[in-house]
Amino acid sequence: KQEVTQIPAALSVPEGENLVLNCSFTDSAIYNLQWFRQDPGKGLTSLLLIQSSQREQTSGRLNASLDKSSGRSTLYIAASQPGDSATYLCAVRAGANSKLTFGKGITLSVRP
Amino acid sequence: DGGITQSPKYLFRKEGQNVTLSCEQNLNHDAMYWYRQDPGQGLRLIYYSQIVNDFQKGDIAEGYSVSREKKESFPLTVTSAQKNPTAFYLCASSLPADLTGYTFGSGTRLTVV
Repeated sequence: KQEVTQIPAALSVPEGENLVLNCSFTDSAIYNLQWFRQDPGKGLTSLLLIQSSQREQTSGRLNASLDKSSGRSTLYIAASQPGDSATYLCAVRAGANSKLTFGKGITLSVRP
Repeated sequence: DGGITQSPKYLFRKEGQNVTLSCEQNLNHDAMYWYRQDPGQGLRLIYYSQIVNDFQKGDIAEGYSVSREKKESFPLTVTSAQKNPTAFYLCASSLPADLTGYTFGSGTRLTVV
């Protein structure tokens, strides 16, 4: 059974810092991996989707990498801002018709 | 604009009542999903449907029921058999083998009073 782990559960950094959020998964046979952002009391917003054949994806200040062989993905946030404060969730999909398996998320706080 | 609409945003249920949460999408996605989110537990899959008139149980289906009569709609009923229904409920949709991943609604917060 696929398990997705995100450590630490919470992170606090000063504004302007570059930071890396980690995600690990136990079964490397994945179809794709998706990073989401969730603000308090809100739904999930998709940030980046990496297909199994890809190594990384970029969107603005965000860069997500994927290393299937080691069962790891990282979300890099450049020049963090207070508006980046949210919970970041990682999820993996085993196959084209499979459901997502989620990590528990990392709650990020960016201090002004 | 395409998206997923969940309603209501807040819902209150009395003990012993059944309540239904609505989820509608206009993305032309084939698959739809219901997740439950509790503090410290992450998202857990309740039910999912990959095609109209067909659905499967997820990890925590007991006390819940769904229907999929239309491609656009996937309502979730929380029955009186669900002993601890207070949670945040999220609906999502996706296409198989797609390049866009899952799309989520804004959620419904259910509280037992």
